[in-house]
Amino acid sequence: NAGVTQTPKFQVLKTGQSMTLQCAQDMNHEYMSWYRQDPGMGLRLIHYSVGAGITDQGEVPNGYNVSRSTTEDFPLRLLSAAPSQTSVYFCASRPGGESGQPQHFGDGTRLSIL
Amino acid sequence: GIQVEQSPPDLILQEGANSTLRCNFSDSVNNLQWFHQNPWGQLINLFYIPSGTKQNGRLSATTVATERYSLLYISSSQTTDSGVYFCAVEGFTGGGNKLTFGTGTQLKVEL
Repeated sequence: NAGVTQTPKFQVLKTGQSMTLQCAQDMNHEYMSWYRQDPGMGLRLIHYSVGAGITDQGEVPNGYNVSRSTTEDFPLRLLSAAPSQTSVYFCASRPGGESGQPQHFGDGTRLSIL
Repeated sequence: GIQVEQSPPDLILQEGANSTLRCNFSDSVNNLQWFHQNPWGQLINLFYIPSGTKQNGRLSATTVATERYSLLYISSSQTTDSGVYFCAVEGFTGGGNKLTFGTGTQLKVEL
């Protein structure tokens, strides 16, 4: 049971490039989400999904796209990277159904935009 | 949305000392988690504690939901306890999995 797996762990991009951050979980969790962490701050929610085919915006969604075609995977896409998107990105998942269940986090992707 | 405040923002301890970290939140919650972010940036899930008291070794946590606060106790601190401690909550109106994080307590344990 690997839990929540994020790839890559590190990435450097140039302004304007696009890329996809991968997130996969093997716990059959319905709910998945993406957060970003900036220096000296807690995590902020970018996008989330409550099941395959369903996504919604979080607190800071601009500049990011998501899709959820399977229960296991929830990729985050940067269409045109900007220096302001330099951050550490965390993916999380939790069981669906009743609310109030703990979230499980991946180890993060450290992204630098030059 | 829910506001989460953590105190103190920074804390320096001598090894072996005890400490209490506090998390205040502005509305009723159905999820409260304490995390330790280690020096490598990994988020370690310490407690899932929307109410009540739990203990795990030298760490324990108490959430008083009616008064909207949670406390994390660290006893006999060790240098490996250094890092940032986050409190995160989810309200009943979240409609999904919207954890709101505090800004954390930076803990440094010295020999």
